[in-house]
Amino acid sequence: AQSVTQPDIHITVSEGASLELRCNYSYGATPYLFWYVQSPGQGLQLLLKYFSGDTLVQGIKGFEAEFKRSQSSFNLRKPSVHWSDAAEYFCAVAPQGGYQKVTFGTGTKLQVIP
Amino acid sequence: DARVTQTPRHKVTEMGQEVTMRCQPILGHNTVFWYRQTMMQGLELLAYFRNRAPLDDSGMPKDRFSAEMPDATLATLKIQPSEPRDSAVYFCASGSRDIYEQYFGPGTRLTVT
Repeated sequence: AQSVTQPDIHITVSEGASLELRCNYSYGATPYLFWYVQSPGQGLQLLLKYFSGDTLVQGIKGFEAEFKRSQSSFNLRKPSVHWSDAAEYFCAVAPQGGYQKVTFGTGTKLQVIP
Repeated sequence: DARVTQTPRHKVTEMGQEVTMRCQPILGHNTVFWYRQTMMQGLELLAYFRNRAPLDDSGMPKDRFSAEMPDATLATLKIQPSEPRDSAVYFCASGSRDIYEQYFGPGTRLTVT
């Protein structure tokens, strides 16, 4: 069964600083990988996804993520954080080959300080 | 701008009462998911449907929860009887095989007293 781990429960960064949120997955083959963001009181919104090909994927709101097969990781990055990026971020994994259920990580809550 | 809608947005009820939550998926999406989110357990998949047929409801307490899709534009999640431990935010999401990503509704915040 697939699983995903987000080791950081809470991260605080200064506005304008760079950001990296960690995500590790466990699966026998290369899965589909996703990052979602949840603003307070809202549902989850897809930031980006990796299916195959280029291991560096670009998403919305200036985010990117890099798939590293050797490390079973899919870390989310942003070069300069804005106060509006304060939210909870979820990494997610799903098996390739057919539309099956997605397994979400436990989330990382991002706080941005001025 | 197509989006998933959920009603009600907030529900406060007494223990033992029946609760029904509704979801309207994005038109054309053939897969619907129900999730529950709590501080303690995070985001849990309760059930999901494809083409209105239940594919997996293993995450759902069978004795009190039921999920249905009476038609392609409506999914329902029912709790009967409700208990305080059911207090959570319930999200509906829809998607399709072609896009393979899920679009979440705003959630129903349920409080059972």
